[in-house]
Amino acid sequence: EIVLTQSPGTLSLSPGERATLSCRASQSVSSSYLAWYQQKAGQPPRLLIYGASSRATGIPDRFSGSGSGTDFTLSISRLEPEDFAVYYCQQYGTSPLTFGGGTRVEIK
Amino acid sequence: QVQLVQSGSELKKPGASVTISCKASGYIFTNYAINWVRQAPGQGLEWMGLIKTDTGTPTYAQGFTGGFVFSLDTSVSTSYLQISSLKPDDTAVYYCARGRRHCTGGTCYSQHYFDFWGQGALVTVSS
Repeated sequence: EIVLTQSPGTLSLSPGERATLSCRASQSVSSSYLAWYQQKAGQPPRLLIYGASSRATGIPDRFSGSGSGTDFTLSISRLEPEDFAVYYCQQYGTSPLTFGGGTRVEIK
Repeated sequence: QVQLVQSGSELKKPGASVTISCKASGYIFTNYAINWVRQAPGQGLEWMGLIKTDTGTPTYAQGFTGGFVFSLDTSVSTSYLQISSLKPDDTAVYYCARGRRHCTGGTCYSQHYFDFWGQGALVTVSS
């Protein structure tokens, strides 16, 4: 199974700052089948990015994804108050599908 | 609009069974697989498996091969998760999620990501 390690565990930033979240895979993720989800407390996850870099419908362009192989990044260019949440990466190229442990983005 | 609406919270005793429903609307149900994801309290997301809605074929992730059953009723666009012999460790929020096939350059593949999620169903197992 592909293990995804997200770092940092918690990111403390102020609104307006840039956030950079990392997701490292234990083996290459085929064809960049890598997604990012945002989850707020008490809510289901929301799809942000698929295919490592394609934004899902309705996702603001301050969210961007990059990377390939084993190293992937989610960037949020300027944090808005509603962006403080937990973010998960997921690989969907190889069964079993796996999620990273999450990065919490909190207000500094 | 696409919606997945799950059944409500459940409180069960150890050893009991529970069935969670996930009713889809706003799209052709049999065109997309339904995935099930578990989230224990304060923990991350864990993929349990999926059911193909066109064939009814389930796939279970390791750790969910016994006591967990995915099923369908396509006549009402609903998928079900049944958990038997509940243990306190099964206390979690269970989500259903629609699987959208990854398409690039006009070609779609069997790999899929989760584009819509149900609101979650909390199952609490306690004596």
